[in-house]
Amino acid sequence: QKEVEQDPGPLSVPEGAIVSLNCTYSNSAFQYFMWYRQYSRKGPELLMYTYSSGNKEDGRFTAQVDKSSKYISLFIRDSQPSDSATYLCAMRQAGGYQKVTFGTGTKLQVIP
Amino acid sequence: SQTIHQWPATLVQPVGSPLSLECTVEGTSNPNLYWYRQAAGRGLQLLFYSVGIGQISSEVPQNLSASRPQDRQFILSSKKLLLSDSGFYLCAWSYHHRKREYGETQYFGPGTRLLVL
Repeated sequence: QKEVEQDPGPLSVPEGAIVSLNCTYSNSAFQYFMWYRQYSRKGPELLMYTYSSGNKEDGRFTAQVDKSSKYISLFIRDSQPSDSATYLCAMRQAGGYQKVTFGTGTKLQVIP
Repeated sequence: SQTIHQWPATLVQPVGSPLSLECTVEGTSNPNLYWYRQAAGRGLQLLFYSVGIGQISSEVPQNLSASRPQDRQFILSSKKLLLSDSGFYLCAWSYHHRKREYGETQYFGPGTRLLVL
């Protein structure tokens, strides 16, 4: 079993839809949770960063962490064609230097 | 603000040739630095990380090596490339883990696409 599981997609939605992207994980010691967006042939860029459980909102993006279920989500409201990209979840433990574990990414396509 | 540079952007090399990829970070000091390889459907594989000049940790035994000759410079090398070395190579940085107040997120460079023929 992989430490972090992410549905690879592709996920196709019409413009304006609400998108839900998810990851599950097995290591209960993970404390920091990130979402990255990666356009084709580019490096990943950080979208959201949360610590422990709860929600965090930034514009059209909302990140949720449910540590009891070992489940994290990224919601995109009013999706735009420019949101078409691969979304990577990432997580790590707290304390000192800790390796970041990445999901394999979900490819999203927003159809105009 | 901080920026991270990688070059070259694309590289085509024959099997058995040497490799040198360079990464530099501007706008911060004493960062943690990372080299990743990304293959389709396999996510990001951490190759090396460094918490200071001359301090390199290897995550995966392989044909590659890394060096950090200066605080904000990270180099990925190989003496003889293999076909399996083809991939998208990403350099990343984070604030040093002792600077907890800045968070511990990694920031990626634009990547180098390597094709070994």
